[in-house]
Amino acid sequence: EDQVTQSPEALRLQEGESSSLNCSYTVSGLRGLFWYRQDPGKGPEFLFTLYSAGEEKEKERLKATLTKKESFLHITAPKPEDSATYLCAVYQAGTALIFGKGTTLSVSS
Amino acid sequence: NAGVTQTPKFQVLKTGQSMTLQCAQDMNHEYMSWYRQDPGMGLRLIHYSVGAGITDQGEVPNGYNVSRSTTEDFPLRLLSAAPSQTSVYFCASRSSFSSHEQYFGPGTRLTVT
Repeated sequence: EDQVTQSPEALRLQEGESSSLNCSYTVSGLRGLFWYRQDPGKGPEFLFTLYSAGEEKEKERLKATLTKKESFLHITAPKPEDSATYLCAVYQAGTALIFGKGTTLSVSS
Repeated sequence: NAGVTQTPKFQVLKTGQSMTLQCAQDMNHEYMSWYRQDPGMGLRLIHYSVGAGITDQGEVPNGYNVSRSTTEDFPLRLLSAAPSQTSVYFCASRSSFSSHEQYFGPGTRLTVT
């Protein structure tokens, strides 16, 4: 059973069409939830860390939120340059980061 | 700062050959790790190190060796390459146990024929 599940696997949006990506997790003793962006042929780039339910972080058109069971990455009025794969990862006490499989976002103009 | 660097960027090996993937960071990070990324599988941890001289296994360590003789370098050795090791390999580093904000290298795309 996957401990970190991201949905949808792929998302196509028109420029300006806001939406959300989901990351649900089943680990106990969560010590942090991380969002990364990955462009084709490159390594993941750190976006946000969330530590406790109710916490929110924002960066440009992206806003990440956290509950006790899941996290959302909200994308407001996306642009084509937001197209990438977005990865979610969780840190459970005593283990390394556990990554989800990612959501591939395509934004067309 | 160059951040996390990896060489080579691309590599093709024949089954049974050995090679070393290089990783270096110039941020004085204690923690370094190696991941492999396969389609539909996400990033999976191979080995990690919490400091010079200390290494441990991750989720998929079989067929790989690591060592950490300096803070800066963390090479990954493939002892006898197999087609199942065809993948993209990423090295990552972070500064402390309390912060899990990892910085990734650009990756090495390895093909084993």
